[in-house]
Amino acid sequence: AQTVTQSQPEMSVQEAETVTLSCTYDTSESDYYLFWYKQPPSRQMILVIRQEAYKQQNATENRFSVNFQKAAKSFSLKISDSQLGDAAMYFCARYQGAQKLVFGQGTRLTINP
Amino acid sequence: NAGVTQTPKFQVLKTGQSMTLQCAQDMNHEYMSWYRQDPGMGLRLIHYSVGAGITDQGEVPNGYNVSRSTTEDFPLRLLSAAPSQTSVYFCASGPRGENTEAFFGQGTRLTVV
Repeated sequence: AQTVTQSQPEMSVQEAETVTLSCTYDTSESDYYLFWYKQPPSRQMILVIRQEAYKQQNATENRFSVNFQKAAKSFSLKISDSQLGDAAMYFCARYQGAQKLVFGQGTRLTINP
Repeated sequence: NAGVTQTPKFQVLKTGQSMTLQCAQDMNHEYMSWYRQDPGMGLRLIHYSVGAGITDQGEVPNGYNVSRSTTEDFPLRLLSAAPSQTSVYFCASGPRGENTEAFFGQGTRLTVV
């Protein structure tokens, strides 16, 4: 099975500081899509950022950016200037086509005021 | 625009009972899918559909049935509920294509006692 692994079950950061969430994945494909989803206590799944594997440039969305290392099959999420509203579960996911997503186990992020 | 609507939001079942989780989307998306979320395991794909009349199994299909008679609806049926099916269930939809965002419902928390 092609897997996605998040090795940090929990992370915490001080408000306004930077935190990086790790994700590694397994695939035999050369082109694919990777996502980070945020799940706040409301349970809603919110897309944070996406990366297409053939693009060299790391994706960025405001305070959120990724470090995509294709050879290492690594896809980490960096959150800059952390805010209290960033507290949530974060899931890394790989797209398998036809809206099939393979998710990691999740990382619970706590923001300390 | 309602997006993806799941009903009910909460449900308690007795072992052996059957029930249907409803999912409807109003975005005319071809793709729809069901996931279950368990602690420490992320979201796992149960069943998915690439269009009306077409369904297929995901990673954890046992104990669940689906059908897709219309583009809008994709119900998930539990034939004989078991405590192992206690979970949070998410329905998602998305348009045809590769780099697409999956739109999630707000989830159903199911407890089987």
